[in-house]
Amino acid sequence: AQSVTQLDSQVPVFEEAPVELRCNYSSSVSVYLFWYVQYPNQGLQLLLKYLSGSTLVESINGFEAEFNKSQTSFHLRKPSVHISDTAEYFCAVSHNNAGNMLTFGGGTRLMVKP
Amino acid sequence: DAGVIQSPRHEVTEMGQEVTLRCKPISGHDYLFWYRQTMMRGLELLIYFNNNVPIDDSGMPEDRFSAKMPNASFSTLKIQPSEPRDSAVYFCASSLGVFGPQHFGDGTRLSIL
Repeated sequence: AQSVTQLDSQVPVFEEAPVELRCNYSSSVSVYLFWYVQYPNQGLQLLLKYLSGSTLVESINGFEAEFNKSQTSFHLRKPSVHISDTAEYFCAVSHNNAGNMLTFGGGTRLMVKP
Repeated sequence: DAGVIQSPRHEVTEMGQEVTLRCKPISGHDYLFWYRQTMMRGLELLIYFNNNVPIDDSGMPEDRFSAKMPNASFSTLKIQPSEPRDSAVYFCASSLGVFGPQHFGDGTRLSIL
């Protein structure tokens, strides 16, 4: 069985400040890791994923996440946030025997203030 | 390229009524997923299909819930009879291949009075 914990339900931050959204997982097998973003009244959109290779993965809009196997973490970071980054962010995990069956964390609401 | 299309976007009905949610996956995708999102329980996988065949329905909460995929371009999630605790946002997602990213629809917001 696997589980995902997002330690912060809400993260308020000022525009242009850096942000880190934390994600920890537990699994007895190798995993694949994902971050999804959900804007109001919309479905989830894939932000970035780690399948293998480099432990640092980046998205096209400036977010990055680093897979840390020893700490079982996959924290999401952005050095300078914009108002438009205000959304809910979900960390998810699947294990390599279950393909894309995802287990989601509870979500973190990022609130960017002017 | 059209994304995953769900209908209706909003549904309000009285308890005891039958509710049918609809989903059109992205053309060519061979996996389809139904999720439920609530404040209390977060995002839960209800059931998923591969090539129109249900693979895992262990997340379906009760026998009142059923899902079908009669062809590659259409799926339904039915609740009969509906109860107030079924109120939630229901998402459909599709993907290509076992490790393809999941593409979500905009969801159906269901309110059972």
